[in-house]
Amino acid sequence: AQKITQTQPGMFVQEKEAVTLDCTYDTSDQSYGLFWYKQPSSGEMIFLIYQGSYDEQNATEGRYSLNFQKARKSANLVISASQLGDSAMYFCPGSGGYQKVTFGTGTKLQVIP
Amino acid sequence: NAGVTQTPKFQVLKTGQSMTLQCAQDMNHNSMYWYRQDPGMGLRLIYYSASEGTTDKGEVPNGYNVSRLNKREFSLRLESAAPSQTSVYFCASSQPGPPASNYGYTFGSGTRLTVV
Repeated sequence: AQKITQTQPGMFVQEKEAVTLDCTYDTSDQSYGLFWYKQPSSGEMIFLIYQGSYDEQNATEGRYSLNFQKARKSANLVISASQLGDSAMYFCPGSGGYQKVTFGTGTKLQVIP
Repeated sequence: NAGVTQTPKFQVLKTGQSMTLQCAQDMNHNSMYWYRQDPGMGLRLIYYSASEGTTDKGEVPNGYNVSRLNKREFSLRLESAAPSQTSVYFCASSQPGPPASNYGYTFGSGTRLTVV
């Protein structure tokens, strides 16, 4: 089983600045995956990016990149050039066992104009 | 568009009433899940179905039952609703794959349930 910790309940960032959202995980699995999802105020869960435990390079998807440090068990999300539409809750669930994902408590990001 | 469809989107129940939340996916995924999300918290797994014909308990199964009707549909039933079950419920589906692969995890848009 995995345990996911997101230590930042809330974050503020200036529009057009970069921001890093922290995520640490604890697992005994050798093979696992880490996801980042965005949940805007409308409530849906939007997939952003994925990193597998065997991936040697950090995942990137447009303005999103994942800073994966396996030894530190961290998988931080970096959002470059923040936009007002980035204001949302962000979750970094991890997969363990039979594809089940475990969620942390999330980080609420607010982008300031 | 392909995806996960949940019905209803909103529901208000009285304590003791029963209801079934419906979920259907058209991505030919084998695995389906039910989560609940309470204010200020992440999603917690209620039940999951690794494949058609199988279901297993997740982290918070008490007060719920599920049925995997076929490969596409996975329903969640509240037999006797309680105020503690006021929450937002998400259905999700995924496809099998090797360990550490992206399982194509896809969520429905959620059902907001209030029990009074």
